[in-house]
Amino acid sequence: RKEVEQDPGPFNVPEGATVAFNCTYSNSASQSFFWYRQDCRKEPKLLMSVYSSGNEDGRFTAQLNRASQYISLLIRDSKLSDSATYLCVVNMEYGNKLVFGAGTILRVKS
Amino acid sequence: GAVVSQHPSRVICKSGTSVKIECRSLDFQATTMFWYRQFPKQSLMLMATSNEGSKATYEQGVEKDKFLINHASLTLSTLTVTSAHPEDSSFYICSASARTGEEKLFFGSGTQLSVL
Repeated sequence: RKEVEQDPGPFNVPEGATVAFNCTYSNSASQSFFWYRQDCRKEPKLLMSVYSSGNEDGRFTAQLNRASQYISLLIRDSKLSDSATYLCVVNMEYGNKLVFGAGTILRVKS
Repeated sequence: GAVVSQHPSRVICKSGTSVKIECRSLDFQATTMFWYRQFPKQSLMLMATSNEGSKATYEQGVEKDKFLINHASLTLSTLTVTSAHPEDSSFYICSASARTGEEKLFFGSGTQLSVL
């Protein structure tokens, strides 16, 4: 089983749609969780950290379910500029080492 | 915000040559730097972790003699792909953290290596 698993997509959605991504992780002792965004052949950029209580940043909402070991990202009112690959990232317990999921491709179309 | 400069951004080389990639933290001291590799349509895979002044720790399956990492100062880490072959063609990217345990990483812009 992969340490971090994501649905690769692609998710093709119209502008204005709401889209949700899920991610599961294998290590129950994982300490922290993030969503990164990566555009083609560019470096990943931190979108948001994910907290147990859930957190929101504008159109983006992240949730963490420790019991089920999954993380979600909800994007509301999708924009064309949201088109990218979204990476689920987990900091495993053993040191400051991030493990990246393979990413979920989002394509927002007009 | 913190900036990590990585260069070159793109390298095309002949099989058998060695390629050096530099990663610099411009406005902070990076005690730890990470090197990743990303093949098309795959996730970033951690290759090695380097701490300033000590030997790098390589992930399982990564050949330390092929991928030489030097982290001689708090602002510079280099990755040298020795005797590169076409299968080494990939996107290489570095990241840096300001101190041990700091979870926020700052990424370089990546290097696309193409070995002919």
